[in-house]
Amino acid sequence: EPEVTQTPSHQVTQMGQEVILRCVPISNHLYFYWYRQILGQKVEFLVSFYNNEISEKSEIFDDQFSVERPDGSNFTLKIRSTKLEDSAMYFCASIQIGYSGANVLTFGAGSRLTVL
Amino acid sequence: LAKTTQPISMDSYEGQEVNITCSHNNIATNDYITWYQQFPSQGPRFIIQGYKTKVTNEVASLFIPADRKSSTLSLPRVSLSDTAVYYCLVTGAGSYQLTFGKGTKLSVIP
Repeated sequence: EPEVTQTPSHQVTQMGQEVILRCVPISNHLYFYWYRQILGQKVEFLVSFYNNEISEKSEIFDDQFSVERPDGSNFTLKIRSTKLEDSAMYFCASIQIGYSGANVLTFGAGSRLTVL
Repeated sequence: LAKTTQPISMDSYEGQEVNITCSHNNIATNDYITWYQQFPSQGPRFIIQGYKTKVTNEVASLFIPADRKSSTLSLPRVSLSDTAVYYCLVTGAGSYQLTFGKGTKLSVIP
């Protein structure tokens, strides 16, 4: 079964450092997402991305965050100047356009970010 | 977006059938109901989707009454490995706004 692949699985960084989380979506999927989940809390939407541009973003996704698809396969989330409260699981997800019914997300296993 | 309400948590013994109900009073005509399962430290995983009446797959059944203001996810004969958080999402056909609520934490007890 096709998978969404995320790297790294766990990253520890110092406050103020930049972090890049990487995702390889399923090859025929065209709509991509980043979600975040702080320990013990719900899965929060950050941003969606289609046709090489941001489609929608939440209020969490401020100027500290950016996304890009640099090479047609990887989809990255960059967090500039990390803060303690950025510690969370970050999930990449993708959708196959054209699915009948409501769109269904396929998630990666997540990248755990720990900011010290 | 239709607001959903689920119980925060449920406990069940192994081997029992578990029914988790989601309320969505303001569901729109073109909205579908989708359930996801999330194990600890993993991403949510699609379980089942329906529009009306009953849908069944190898994992679960989804019951949707005629008014569609609620839906019930039914897990037959749960095992310890079914311990997870279950999320109910209500989204329009073709919508790309996919927002998760707090979900229902199911704990299966031996």
